[in-house]
Amino acid sequence: NAGVTQTPKFQVLKTGQSMTLQCAQDMNHEYMSWYRQDPGMGLRLIHYSVGAGITDQGEVPNGYNVSRSTTEDFPLRLLSAAPSQTSVYFCASKTGLAGNNEQFFGPGTRLTVL
Amino acid sequence: AQSVSQHNHHVILSEAASLELGCNYSYGGTVNLFWYVQYPGQHLQLLLKYFSGDPLVKGIKGFEAEFIKSKFSFNLRKPSVQWSDTAEYFCAVFFPIYNQGGKLIFGQGTELSVKP
Repeated sequence: NAGVTQTPKFQVLKTGQSMTLQCAQDMNHEYMSWYRQDPGMGLRLIHYSVGAGITDQGEVPNGYNVSRSTTEDFPLRLLSAAPSQTSVYFCASKTGLAGNNEQFFGPGTRLTVL
Repeated sequence: AQSVSQHNHHVILSEAASLELGCNYSYGGTVNLFWYVQYPGQHLQLLLKYFSGDPLVKGIKGFEAEFIKSKFSFNLRKPSVQWSDTAEYFCAVFFPIYNQGGKLIFGQGTELSVKP
């Protein structure tokens, strides 16, 4: 199994541009989530999904959209990038089984918005 | 709202010193608890986890953590640190939400520097 994969690894955008960060997992996990990591702030939850067609907001959802059309994929969209969205983004997934809440993290995407 | 707090932002120790990193969370119900480590330039790695049972949990690389339910705490310990333990450490708590799965919330992180 490849686990959780993210593309691209690095990206530079100009303010106002849009882009999609890709996340895929091959473990048949129902639950997937997106985090951003900023110095001194830990990882903050952006959006999460408990299954295909179901998404919900996390701690910092503004400026980001998500959808979940398949179990495997959970893309994160920035419609109009801002410098405040410069960060490292991590995708994670876990089984939907109750009581087993260990999440598996992808390698991250480093995004710079100029 | 659910929150996780790590008391120390930056800890500097000499090799062989003992380590204890504090973590507290705000919630009275059942939670799952985790400690992650991030070495410089690398992604997150799970150190240990607590779901239920013995509140003293042993993880990889000689780390352990103790869950004290009455104090809403999950402190990380290591009796003798090494230079290779230099990294950032994150406490994380999974808060279940009825019929909505739940959320994994992280603390702010503690940067550990170990001097040789």
